[in-house]
Amino acid sequence: DIQMTHSPSSLSASVGDRVTITCRASQSILTSLNWYQQKPGRAPKLLIYTASSLQSGVPSRFSGSGSGTDFTLTISSLQPDDFATYYCQQSYSTPYTFGQGTKLEIK
Amino acid sequence: QVQLQESGPGLVKPSQTLSLTCTVSGGSISSGGYYWSWIRQHPGKGLEWIGYIYYSGSTYYNPSLKSRVIISVDRSKNQFSLKLSSVTAADTAMYYCVRDNDSSGYYHAFDSWGQGTLVTVSS
Repeated sequence: DIQMTHSPSSLSASVGDRVTITCRASQSILTSLNWYQQKPGRAPKLLIYTASSLQSGVPSRFSGSGSGTDFTLTISSLQPDDFATYYCQQSYSTPYTFGQGTKLEIK
Repeated sequence: QVQLQESGPGLVKPSQTLSLTCTVSGGSISSGGYYWSWIRQHPGKGLEWIGYIYYSGSTYYNPSLKSRVIISVDRSKNQFSLKLSSVTAADTAMYYCVRDNDSSGYYHAFDSWGQGTLVTVSS
């Protein structure tokens, strides 16, 4: 199985900050990488697909980049609604696997 | 917009079979380019993909659960189902049914999720 590793596991930031979350794959997955946001008690929500494509309806302050093994999710200016846990997921090969998540908290 | 809704018992006894159904509305389960997945999340933990089914009936299961999992589809009811046998406390989790989009530039991205159903394994 392809292992996905987030860094950091948790992050404290303030409204208006620029935040970057990193996800690393245990082998090259080209651009087969998706990002999700999950709030407590809610199902995850797709933010970014194929590494850099913004899902319809997702604010443009979210962006993704990377290829191969290293990927980033960037929030350009944090809003109160963005405090949540973020997961990456590889869709390069089955079984599809997720990272352990990055919890974004209010400073 | 497609919507998914899980249904099934919230409590299952150890060694029994967990059975859940997902009803899809706002779109056809027979639409090409979409797979239909089950994903679970243990309390306070990360996400684990269980497997998927295509409307044709072809399936793929996570090898970690393969010996205990069956996913089936009922196109007439626009539903797909999960059966997980010989459950233990380790199978206690939130179970989500999810649309896996493999069309129009997506590549197996989970773009629509049910609200999830908590299944507890306990006697």
